[in-house]
Amino acid sequence: QVTLKESGPVLVRPTETLTLTCSVSGFSLSETGMGVSWIRQPPGQALEWLAHIFSNDETLYSSSLKTRVTLSKDTSKSQVVLTLTNVDPVDSATYYCARTTTGVYGPRFDSWGQGALVTVSS
Amino acid sequence: SDVLTQPPSLSVAPGQTARITCGGRNIGSKGVNWYQQTPGQAPILVVYADSRRPAGIPERFSGSNSGNTATLIISGVEAGDEADYYCQVSDFRIDPAWVFGGGTKLNV
Repeated sequence: QVTLKESGPVLVRPTETLTLTCSVSGFSLSETGMGVSWIRQPPGQALEWLAHIFSNDETLYSSSLKTRVTLSKDTSKSQVVLTLTNVDPVDSATYYCARTTTGVYGPRFDSWGQGALVTVSS
Repeated sequence: SDVLTQPPSLSVAPGQTARITCGGRNIGSKGVNWYQQTPGQAPILVVYADSRRPAGIPERFSGSNSGNTATLIISGVEAGDEADYYCQVSDFRIDPAWVFGGGTKLNV
């Protein structure tokens, strides 16, 4: 059974750095064709893709956050870490990590974590 | 970057067929995925690669994609289908690599 779970702070002050961890089970982060993306959703708004890390450690970032976001992973711990620097109240959202399966039928987010609600406020 | 346009809401009576559209330039040349999100819950994948269903998703869910419009089709709509639905495409050659539509609230 594939599971993902986000963890991190509930409240972050403006200009600080947000660090969120995605702990996965049921698959390996080094498995070919598997990756993990981070997606966020401000309250009442649509989903927004932020960043992705492939099984070979290559990363993709949305240009809207590219200068502030970094992804890393620890395969032995089955964890992917999202770091977002210099946060602003507009970064307040529920942050999801999702397994991305890439195969003959194209990439898709086939398993999601429960989400972590993060509020940026002083 | 790709822009995907969805109607904000759609109302369908129980037992009828819901067709949720997703418009995008030449979207027919890309694979489209659809996600269902009920209030307070994480999204779940209901259709991928235009028309394929993941394990556990009822046959009532299907999809089509051609030209500039992709469509999620829900046959025999049930009360439990009331949710937000998002279309999504990916293209590693552009930024952002993954794009979601604005979402459609299906009212049953």
